[in-house]
Amino acid sequence: GQNIDQPTEMTATEGAIVQINCTYQTSGFNGLFWYQQHAGEAPTFLSYNVLDGLEEKGRFSSFLSRSKGYSYLLLKELQMKDSASYLCAVREATGGSYIPTFGRGTSLIVHP
Amino acid sequence: DSGVTQTPKHLITATGQRVTLRCSPRSGDLSVYWYQQSLDQGLQFLIQYYNGEERAKGNILERFSAQQFPDLHSELNLSSLELGDSALYFCASSTPGVDYGYTFGSGTRLTVV
Repeated sequence: GQNIDQPTEMTATEGAIVQINCTYQTSGFNGLFWYQQHAGEAPTFLSYNVLDGLEEKGRFSSFLSRSKGYSYLLLKELQMKDSASYLCAVREATGGSYIPTFGRGTSLIVHP
Repeated sequence: DSGVTQTPKHLITATGQRVTLRCSPRSGDLSVYWYQQSLDQGLQFLIQYYNGEERAKGNILERFSAQQFPDLHSELNLSSLELGDSALYFCASSTPGVDYGYTFGSGTRLTVV
């Protein structure tokens, strides 16, 4: 099993930068994902990290440190449409398969 | 459109009843994962099927069962429904060896009254 922690809620201003942290404990790490989910909608894939370091994708970047069990999602030039829940998911081996386990999500509120 | 199709979008039913949720994975994906999302629990993994075979089980109740058919669509059966089963049920599919993530369907919102 694993324990995934991320803040429940964050607020930020349009145009600013926000960093959402995720810490985890797992016995068989096999990758970390970030998803965006608007209320009542499907989670959509943002990023994937399996090696230490920073992955950059436009306004979104994700960082991983496996030794520290730590990741963050960095959102730049925030827009109102970025108001959503951000889910950190850690994949580990489960009975012969690899299953992503999700944290409870961080609700990001972007205000003007 | 993510390519993963779930039906129905909404379902309202009474306690004690049985329902079936359906999922068609993205073309070419062999794996289907079922998740339950309630307000207080977040996304909880239920079960995974790969090419018709059960591969992994999570926090799935004995009242719930699933299967994957030869055409790779999957069904999640929920029986003896309780009020606490009200939730969003998502399925996701993935392509082996391609780590751009798991693609989710739009979900089925189940309300048990």
